Amino acid sequence: GAVVSQHPSWVICKSGTSVKIECRSLDFQATTMFWYRQFPKQSLMLMATSNEGSKATYEQGVEKDKFLINHASLTLSTLTVTSAHPEDSSFYICSARPGQGRETQYFGPGTRLLVL
Amino acid sequence: AQSVSQHNHHVILSEAASLELGCNYSYGGTVNLFWYVQYPGQHLQLLLKYFSGDPLVKGIKGFEAEFIKSKFSFNLRKPSVQWSDTAEYFCAVIAGGTSYGKLTFGQGTILTVHP
Repeated sequence: GAVVSQHPSWVICKSGTSVKIECRSLDFQATTMFWYRQFPKQSLMLMATSNEGSKATYEQGVEKDKFLINHASLTLSTLTVTSAHPEDSSFYICSARPGQGRETQYFGPGTRLLVL
Repeated sequence: AQSVSQHNHHVILSEAASLELGCNYSYGGTVNLFWYVQYPGQHLQLLLKYFSGDPLVKGIKGFEAEFIKSKFSFNLRKPSVQWSDTAEYFCAVIAGGTSYGKLTFGQGTILTVHP
């Protein structure tokens, strides 16, 4: 149980285009989903927290107009990188948490984005 | 803001050697502590977690970790590593209060086990 999927697993796009990444909890309902970014040889950095049906909470320094997050249902959250540029190239990972508070987060396999 | 520090970036061991990966955090209040592992090409998986109670926590695959509150540490141990333990290991913390379950990760430690 507790499987989280991401789609696509990798994407290459031209600079200026927008890219949507999906995160799904397959066998549980996720009241909260998190989006992380991981640069090569670095740790995961939390970008934003999204709760179903409400606006996402972004971490300091993360542009909310650049990284649009939608959590329309208890099993799906999407991250859209708008007008992507080469510096947005990274590994994006989502996680999902079934309850409130400090319960374990379950991680997706990640999406590698390369912006040319 | 809380931070998590992992002492070693890359650890190289031979099979059957003992392992200890250091993790220290900076936060004075209640914390929940985690160790995650990322095998090559795979997603992050939970190894073990500490919420309360016995500070010696046992996880999957023979791993354990000890929470020492006075030292703000949560070191990961395994008495005898295997080649299949080659992976990257991340220590993570959820601080108490109003952080709403946000995980703060350490930098990660790459473990390479030679057969």
